Amino acid sequence: DIQMTQTPSSMPASLGERVTISCRASQGISNYLNWYQQKPDGTIKPLIYYTSNLQSGVPSRFSGSGSGTDYSLTISSLEPEDFAMYYCQQYDSSPPWTFGGGTKLELK
Amino acid sequence: QVKLLQSGAALVKPGASVKMSCKASGYTFTDYWVSWVKQSHGKSLEWIGEIYPNSGATNFNEKFKGKATLTVDKSTSTAYMELSRLTSEDSAIYYCTRVYYGLLLYYFDYWGQGVMVTVSS
Repeated sequence: DIQMTQTPSSMPASLGERVTISCRASQGISNYLNWYQQKPDGTIKPLIYYTSNLQSGVPSRFSGSGSGTDYSLTISSLEPEDFAMYYCQQYDSSPPWTFGGGTKLELK
Repeated sequence: QVKLLQSGAALVKPGASVKMSCKASGYTFTDYWVSWVKQSHGKSLEWIGEIYPNSGATNFNEKFKGKATLTVDKSTSTAYMELSRLTSEDSAIYYCTRVYYGLLLYYFDYWGQGVMVTVSS
């Protein structure tokens, strides 16, 4: 199985700050990488699919990039509703699809 | 609008089974795969498996073969997951998701609200 390592596991940040979350795959995944946000109430929604494509309705302050084994999610200017958990997920070649360990974005 | 409405929380005894549901609305149920994802307390997400309602075809994470059974009822647009021989390791929140499957694309575009399963005597 492809292992996904997310860093950091938690990140204190301030409103208006630019933050970047990283995700590293145990092997190259050819950009087959998605990002999700989970709110404290458990609600999960997709943010970015296929490395850099913004899901409909997601604010443009979210962006994704990467290639090979290394990928990142950037939030350009933090809003109050952005403090949540973030997960990357790969879907290269064949199941099982695997998720990163998660990053908790906390208010500093 | 697309919605996935999951059944309520369950408290079950070790060794028993539990069956949960995921009722889809707002789209053609048979056109999209439905995946199931496990989230153990305070931990990350694990993909369990998926089912294609049109044909009943399934794919599983090897880890969950023999543990999870996926079925659908096309007449009610409902997907089901049954977990058998429950242990404390199965205590978790389980999500159903709709899968967006396209050229180069595969992601979980809609999620249910989650079902908390607690295994305890």
